[in-house]
Formats: sequence, structure tokens, C-alpha cells
Amino acid sequence: EVQLVESGGGLVKPGGSLRLSCAASGFTFSSYSMNWVRQAPGKGLEWVSSISSSSSYIYYADSVKGRFTISRDNAKNSLYLQMNSLRAEDTAVYYCAREVGGVYWYFDLWGRGTLVTVSS
Amino acid sequence: EIVLTQSPGTLSLSPGERATLSCRASQSVSSSYLAWYQQKPGQAPRLLIYGASSRATGIPDRFSGSGSGTDFTLTISRLEPEDFAVYYCQQYGSSTRWTFGQGTKVEIK
Repeated sequence: EVQLVESGGGLVKPGGSLRLSCAASGFTFSSYSMNWVRQAPGKGLEWVSSISSSSSYIYYADSVKGRFTISRDNAKNSLYLQMNSLRAEDTAVYYCAREVGGVYWYFDLWGRGTLVTVSS
Repeated sequence: EIVLTQSPGTLSLSPGERATLSCRASQSVSSSYLAWYQQKPGQAPRLLIYGASSRATGIPDRFSGSGSGTDFTLTISRLEPEDFAVYYCQQYGSSTRWTFGQGTKVEIK
């Protein structure tokens, strides 16, 4: 089955760190760019970070630049998001999403998300 | 940076009615870079439309997308009970990467 499964969320204090993982299965993970998208409680979707298939190109939203690091391990079919210096406003459900690019650009596969709560 | 503004914020309609959702970009967007998603409570977003007007695999033909430049529209021809959800538009930009609109909630009247 083609799927993405996030893990690693939880409760962390402000200033703390957390590492999210996204396990991919059912498709050739190494052929796709991948993304993290978050959704604060009751709010809309916010793109967080992108990484190309070979990790050559990495992008971040201004809101997380310098604090979050995206990475991937194609041998393990896994995507990661290292989150440091966490703030209350980072509280959200974090989704990993597969990117389709070329002629058309969109996210065609999403995980179910993992909740990160930043609170003292 | 391109900003996507969706309207209305909430659309109150009855099953069987037509829904028209708007997504307006602050600058011209390539149609190839415009997508629409549906999100139900507690679920991940689901791709509906890509390339402004192409339906994703398995999406019923009551969903259609149109538009170009700065104005894009998602139309649901006849609302089914399962269509009541939040809808987001999204655009790709080479410098800013990905931007989402703030969403339109389609609720039962």
C-alpha cells in the first residue's frame, strides 16, 4: 500500500527539541521530493520545508529557518524534521507530503500527521 | 511573495446545491502550479484538482476547477453529504516554494 506514516510528535517545553520521522512505503521514495506541512489547531495549512529526491535542494519557510532541519535517508525510505528552539507557535499537526513536479506541481500523497505541542 | 486569498471564508449550502469557491492570487500564477485540496475534520488533506483544472485520480466529476492568471475557481456542481469540508488552494513558486490559501469551509445550511 502506498502510504506515509509520521511519528515522533509529543509534548515539549518551549526552547526544546523534537525529531519527527515520516516512513514511506509502496513507492520509490528516492524518486520524489518530499515536504513537511503543518496545521496549527483550528487553522489552515502552512508549508514548512522541502527536500529534493537526492537532498541537493532544501528549502524552508521563513518562520522555521535556522531552527528546523529537514533530511532524508533514501535507504530507509524515511524523511525527518529536526525541530530545535521550539516555540508555542510551532504547536501543530505536522504532515509529510509527497511532491509531484515537472509540468504540474502539487502534493499527491499525505500522511495522517503527528501532533506537536509546545507548552510549559 | 504570492499571497492566495480564498473567498468566502464559509459557504453555507444544502446538499444538491452548487458550490463556487474562489482563490485569488496577489500576482499572476501559472495554471500548472495551482492545486485544490479537500480536508475533513481529523483527516489529512486530499488532492482534488491540479493544474487548475485536472481532476486527481478517483475524484468525482462533480468537482471541477477553472481559472487563470490571478483568479481561480473550484466548483462542486451538486453537493453530496461527504463534500462538506474545508477546501484549500495551493500554488508553487520557484522562490517561495509552496503557498496555501487560508481555506473555505463548506458547511451544511
